[in-house]
Amino acid sequence: SQKIEQNSEALNIQEGKTATLTCNYTNYSPAYLQWYRQDPGRGPVFLLLIRENEKEKRKERLKVTFDTTLKQSLFHITASQPADSATYLCAVSRGGYNKLIFGAGTRLAVHP
Amino acid sequence: ETGVTQTPRHLVMGMTNKKSLKCEQHLGHNAMYWYKQSAKKPLELMFVYNFKEQTENNSVPSRFSPECPNSSHLFLHLHTLQPEDSALYLCASSQDTESGREGYTFGSGTRLTVV
Repeated sequence: SQKIEQNSEALNIQEGKTATLTCNYTNYSPAYLQWYRQDPGRGPVFLLLIRENEKEKRKERLKVTFDTTLKQSLFHITASQPADSATYLCAVSRGGYNKLIFGAGTRLAVHP
Repeated sequence: ETGVTQTPRHLVMGMTNKKSLKCEQHLGHNAMYWYKQSAKKPLELMFVYNFKEQTENNSVPSRFSPECPNSSHLFLHLHTLQPEDSALYLCASSQDTESGREGYTFGSGTRLTVV
């Protein structure tokens, strides 16, 4: 079965630097890969979606890459700010009526 | 406010109680979902409703009973729960019924504690 692996250790970076978070999947190549942000006690907020035939997607300071050979997606936040501190979740789906499967998330802390 | 409203935000219930969680969306979305989020664990999909019809029951114990009376409302009825059912219960919706083809809109969740 498909498993999503995200670094369980928090990522601490300095304000202004680029944060890079990793999402690895173990089984089939997903049709869709999504990234969400979750703040404590709140529901996840959708950020970006990338399809299996896309290598890279950008939105403002966010960039997602998708490498089906490595079975990995990287999520970058450039010029990071303390307000970017949150837990970031990766999710994948085969499409159709298959489940959207989530990773446990990586906590990002951006320090002034 | 995301457009998906969940009530109550917090709920404490005894193991013999019966309670219901409510989810409401007025985004015109066609699919609605219940997820469970336990501490340090990934979100677990519980139920999926497409156009008010249940299309997924992810081996959820019968003490959790979903109901979708119309495309805007989703309920999760709870009875005789166990302490290990304590978690954040999240409702989500999407316009597209194909899994993952667009981002889901989540509510803020109900923090459930079973005592």
